[in-house]
Amino acid sequence: QVTLKESGPALLKPTQTLVLTCTFSGFSLSTSGVRVSWFRQPPGKSLEWLAHIDWDDDKFYTTSLKTRLTVSQDTSKNLVFLTMSNMDPVDTATYYCARSPPAFSTSLTSFDYWGQGILVTVSS
Amino acid sequence: QSVLTQPPSASGTPGQRVTISCSGTSSNVGSNTVTWYHQLPGTAPKLLMYFNDQRPSGVPDRFTGSKSGTEASLAISGLQSEDEADYYCATWDDSLNGVLFGGGTKVTVL
Repeated sequence: QVTLKESGPALLKPTQTLVLTCTFSGFSLSTSGVRVSWFRQPPGKSLEWLAHIDWDDDKFYTTSLKTRLTVSQDTSKNLVFLTMSNMDPVDTATYYCARSPPAFSTSLTSFDYWGQGILVTVSS
Repeated sequence: QSVLTQPPSASGTPGQRVTISCSGTSSNVGSNTVTWYHQLPGTAPKLLMYFNDQRPSGVPDRFTGSKSGTEASLAISGLQSEDEADYYCATWDDSLNGVLFGGGTKVTVL
């Protein structure tokens, strides 16, 4: 059974750095073709892709936030991390991690399992 | 403002057919496959359609995806109350080198 779950702080102050952890089970990020991605969704708005990390440790970032984002993994512990620096109130959103299996590797946008999401609020 | 354009809302009565469009450009919809998600309030998105027209296991065949040129569509036939949700299209953009989502369409069952 595939599961993912996000964890991290619920509240941050402006300029602080956000560190989120995606704890997953039921699959391995070492398996060829697997990808784990991060997304966010501000309240009442659409989804935004942030970054992804591939089975071979390739990493991709959304252009608009590239200088603030870092994605990494701890394969042995089934963890993927997202770091976002210099947080601002406009970064208030629910943050999700999701998996793309090998069968979808050519799609780049198909994610079959998602975490429940974590609401991160940035406020002074 | 999303690069992929979706109508903000769509509605129908039970049993009717509803179609949602997703309009893009040659660098995204026109050259990559489209994925559709639906999302109930307070929950994570759920995969509804991948590779333009492929349904994951468990998605009823009332849902049909298609793509022509720079426009993709999701059709829901035999509309049911449980179909009330927000629907998002997504695709890769070759110019931005990233994933794009549409602005979302809220489907209401009257």
